[in-house]
Amino acid sequence: QKEVEQNSGPLSVPEGAIASLNCTYSDRVSQSFFWYRQYSGKSPELIMSIYSNGDKEDGRFTAQLNKASQYVSLLIRDSQPSDSATYLCAVNIPYLDTGRRALTFGSGTRLQVQP
Amino acid sequence: KAGVTQTPRYLIKTRGQQVTLSCSPISGHRSVSWYQQTPGQGLQFLFEYFSETQRNKGNFPGRFSGRQFSNSRSEMNVSTLELGDSALYLCASSNLTGGSYGYTFGSGTRLTVV
Repeated sequence: QKEVEQNSGPLSVPEGAIASLNCTYSDRVSQSFFWYRQYSGKSPELIMSIYSNGDKEDGRFTAQLNKASQYVSLLIRDSQPSDSATYLCAVNIPYLDTGRRALTFGSGTRLQVQP
Repeated sequence: KAGVTQTPRYLIKTRGQQVTLSCSPISGHRSVSWYQQTPGQGLQFLFEYFSETQRNKGNFPGRFSGRQFSNSRSEMNVSTLELGDSALYLCASSNLTGGSYGYTFGSGTRLTVV
């Protein structure tokens, strides 16, 4: 089982719809969760962080966290063609050799917003 | 405020050679982490440096090494290059360790090994 799992997609939604991206993680005591957006040929860009159970909203983006279910999601409202990118879920998880935490990334979900 | 700067942007090397990549973090950030990104494996953690000390290390062979200088700039070195080392190498900076508050990534160095 991977430590951070995402559906690779592509997830295709029409312009103006809500895109829902999901992520599960294995470490029960992780405290920090992030969503990054990566356009083709570019580096990842941090778009949302969430630390507590519940919802966190920022503009058209809402991050949702459920620690009991080890589940984090990202909703994008009023999706635009410019939102077409790969979305990476990241969780700070301890590494076996050191026991120290670092961001572990899922493989990413490719989102396509159709005009 | 300048972002994370990585040099060079592109590199082509031959199998068996070694390569050094450079990263300058955001001013005031003392933590620098390195990641390798490939289509097959995604983003994989290489190591993290904080205050000139390697604080954490991922599951990569000893051919991959790094260091950090007193001004927080970091370099990573790959010796005896293999074809499978072809990847995008990303540097990320943070003012705290462990990624607790997220990272800011540089533009990356695209390494091609032929």
